[in-house]
Amino acid sequence: DGGITQSPKYLFRKEGQNVTLSCEQNLNHDAMYWYRQDPGQGLRLIYYSQIVNDFQKGDIAEGYSVSREKKESFPLTVTSAQKNPTAFYLCASTSLRGQTDSNQPQHFGDGTRLSIL
Amino acid sequence: KQEVTQIPAALSVPEGENLVLNCSFTDSAIYNLQWFRQDPGKGLTSLLLIQSSQREQTSGRLNASLDKSSGRSTLYIAASQPGDSATYLCAVKASSGSARQLTFGSGTQLTVLP
Repeated sequence: DGGITQSPKYLFRKEGQNVTLSCEQNLNHDAMYWYRQDPGQGLRLIYYSQIVNDFQKGDIAEGYSVSREKKESFPLTVTSAQKNPTAFYLCASTSLRGQTDSNQPQHFGDGTRLSIL
Repeated sequence: KQEVTQIPAALSVPEGENLVLNCSFTDSAIYNLQWFRQDPGKGLTSLLLIQSSQREQTSGRLNASLDKSSGRSTLYIAASQPGDSATYLCAVKASSGSARQLTFGSGTQLTVLP
């Protein structure tokens, strides 16, 4: 079945440590996104990528980094510079169908919950 | 800057009731609006997407309407069931031409009591 796989489901970070969250999709989608969700709040965009080897900062990119070496994969690294990393992280993707903008819905993975040790 | 508001934050209804969830947005220049469902500890599932040129979309017991001029959307759920219990989020996509701009509301947590 096609979908988005995020791993791990739960992740713990020690002080000063970088951690990487995995996101893989087999939907052949062009664009991929990383969001952060805090309790009782909506999603906030961290980074997004429309094409391999290219990505743009979202609204809250500080303390995070990404790469897009393959169309299927968009890993997110939470660096030690992110002082408040505890949150639920969601990866999403969508088909652009050759257009910069698209009326295709975003599809989401099941998320990774990150906590500080 | 676009702001999306969902009221109420939580709603509890008995099974079988028809209900309406509300979403309002401050900038009417949108490309589309999406309604999502989120179960506890899970990702989001897209329910309905309304393009800016459309007034409503329907899927089964769900009907979403869009009034761009007033900056409002509603999600109507008919004959609610306990399985409908979840958090419902709306998100608007800006018409600026960027592929990234989805702005989310904070959601309405719905509980349908058996």
